[in-house]
Amino acid sequence: GQQLNQSPQSMFIQEGEDVSMNCTSSSIFNTWLWYKQDPGEGPVLLIALYKAGELTSNGRLTAQFGITRKDSFLNISASIPSDVGIYFCAGHLGSGGSNYKLTFGKGTLLTVNP
Amino acid sequence: AAGVIQSPRHLIKEKRETATLKCYPIPRHDTVYWYQQGPGQDPQFLISFYEKMQSDKGSIPDRFSAQQFSDYHSELNMSSLELGDSALYFCASSSRGGNTEAFFGQGTRLTVV
Repeated sequence: GQQLNQSPQSMFIQEGEDVSMNCTSSSIFNTWLWYKQDPGEGPVLLIALYKAGELTSNGRLTAQFGITRKDSFLNISASIPSDVGIYFCAGHLGSGGSNYKLTFGKGTLLTVNP
Repeated sequence: AAGVIQSPRHLIKEKRETATLKCYPIPRHDTVYWYQQGPGQDPQFLISFYEKMQSDKGSIPDRFSAQQFSDYHSELNMSSLELGDSALYFCASSSRGGNTEAFFGQGTRLTVV
């Protein structure tokens, strides 16, 4: 099956710093998603990407859908303490029909020191 | 806005017992997904339903079954529980017609002792 390689596994940064994490896949996806998960809670959708090369922002978050459709990155600018959590990339093949099951990366644990 | 509701939030069962997890999707969402997340792991897809029919199947053990009812809520039935079934179980819903991505519930933490 498809696998997503997410890096880094963890990051320790100071408040105010920028953060970057990425995912690569062994095969293409039609949709890339980025989720954030707090301990014991469900993943919360941050950004969805639908077209190769697409660059999308959501506040301090920016994500891009790689041109090859096999990779994506997420940037967080000017980090704040509430950015702490686990960030997951995810992809699916759905496109106007079936096959919307998500394949997740292993996650990036982000710690922000005030 | 209404979110995906899962119940119970926490469940403790003994080995070989049976558990039933419930999921109430966001109103007007027609698709439900179930995921299992072990400690320190990423969520793994189990099964999905679209318009009350099974639409996809992942790494779901034969001891588990699920269905989606006429009101679109879904239940995951787990029998002959094993210690390794201890995990967070998430339900997510989406709308194919509305072209929305999956929104997750808060999960059910199942502990098998």
